[in-house]
Amino acid sequence: QKEVEQNSGPLSVPEGAIASLNCTYSDRVSQSFFWYRQYSGKSPELIMSIYSNGDKEDGRFTAQLNKASQYVSLLIRDSQPSDSATYLCAVRGGGADGLTFGKGTHLIIQP
Amino acid sequence: SQTIHQWPATLVQPVGSPLSLECTVEGTSNPNLYWYRQAAGRGLQLLFYSVGIGQISSEVPQNLSASRPQDRQFILSSKKLLLSDSGFYLCAWSPRNTEAFFGQGTRLTVV
Repeated sequence: QKEVEQNSGPLSVPEGAIASLNCTYSDRVSQSFFWYRQYSGKSPELIMSIYSNGDKEDGRFTAQLNKASQYVSLLIRDSQPSDSATYLCAVRGGGADGLTFGKGTHLIIQP
Repeated sequence: SQTIHQWPATLVQPVGSPLSLECTVEGTSNPNLYWYRQAAGRGLQLLFYSVGIGQISSEVPQNLSASRPQDRQFILSSKKLLLSDSGFYLCAWSPRNTEAFFGQGTRLTVV
């Protein structure tokens, strides 16, 4: 069974600092990796996709993938209070059978 | 652009009553469609997915069912709700085995 593990937090980071979120996955054949942001009471919103080893940057967000270690991370630079949310890591294999999600890390940005 | 509509936003239903949640996607053809459930303290659980009209795959055995009567319509149903069916139900669509985009969700409380 596919598993995606995240530290539930809360992770508390001062405003303006770098927030680092981590995720590990169990299925070695996983091909696609995603980070979603979910505000309380709202649906998940896609913020980053990464498909190959290395770093991918989009604005203040950087996703990092290491398939050998089965590890995905998300860095948020210049953290803002509006970044306070739960961040979900998701993994997809090669088929149409949906994404497998971690339980999420609750991030708190302290003003 | 593609949009996904899901309704109702909130629902309170008595135990033993039926359920019907509807989801429609606009601006795309032949999407993969998904129903997820997010219960308190648990991650996103994939319930059903569909790759085409009339094609439904179930991930978790339960008293729920799904149907896809039209290309961009996905329906989640139950004949008799249980207390354990309470949760946040999310419909999602995917272009083709890639990232998933979520609707606004339905918060279901079974009383």
